[in-house]
Amino acid sequence: QQQVKQSPQSLIVQKGGISIINCAYENTAFDYFPWYQQFPGKGPALLIAIRPDVSEKKEGRFTISFNKSAKQFSLHIMDSQPGDSATYFCAASRGSTLGRLYFGRGTQLTVWP
Amino acid sequence: DSGVTQTPKHLITATGQRVTLRCSPRSGDLSVYWYQQSLDQGLQFLIQYYNGEERAKGNILERFSAQQFPDLHSELNLSSLELGDSALYFCASSERTEYNEQFFGPGTRLTVL
Repeated sequence: QQQVKQSPQSLIVQKGGISIINCAYENTAFDYFPWYQQFPGKGPALLIAIRPDVSEKKEGRFTISFNKSAKQFSLHIMDSQPGDSATYFCAASRGSTLGRLYFGRGTQLTVWP
Repeated sequence: DSGVTQTPKHLITATGQRVTLRCSPRSGDLSVYWYQQSLDQGLQFLIQYYNGEERAKGNILERFSAQQFPDLHSELNLSSLELGDSALYFCASSERTEYNEQFFGPGTRLTVL
């Protein structure tokens, strides 16, 4: 059973556009929601994370929007660049410390120049 | 560079064999996680160790085992290997922080022939 559902599976965006990736979860005990970026042949790299006490977190061109009542969160990449082309994973964990991560299936983002 | 190191980078072996994957966490991190990444299953949590003790188990097969040593490095042992065990194996580490930031190593690509 997939604890975190991610969509779309793949996304093609023009350079300068906005990339939006969505995730949904069922377990209300989840209290930490990170996004990871993975390039081919590399390990996932932590991009940005949010806790449910805030509805939005922004770091540079990357923004997480969080809707606790809908149990959904999304990643927005503003001014998308070809260098952003990678696979993005959302994840969730329960318990504030040392919790295992439940990952979405990933979104392969391609940004055309 | 996340600061997490994994060896070897690639491993090719035959069915029925046994292999050991090694992970060194970031300096100061007490917690080590092992994840398996495959095309059909995505990123799946296997097992977690904290300061030498097993803390959580995921969908880890009985043929797989792990341990964390006093110097905090960890090893994942895979035995009686099957074709379906071919995958990327990632190690991640975290310190005991409120936000459970996990940092991933570059992975070991295991190919079972």
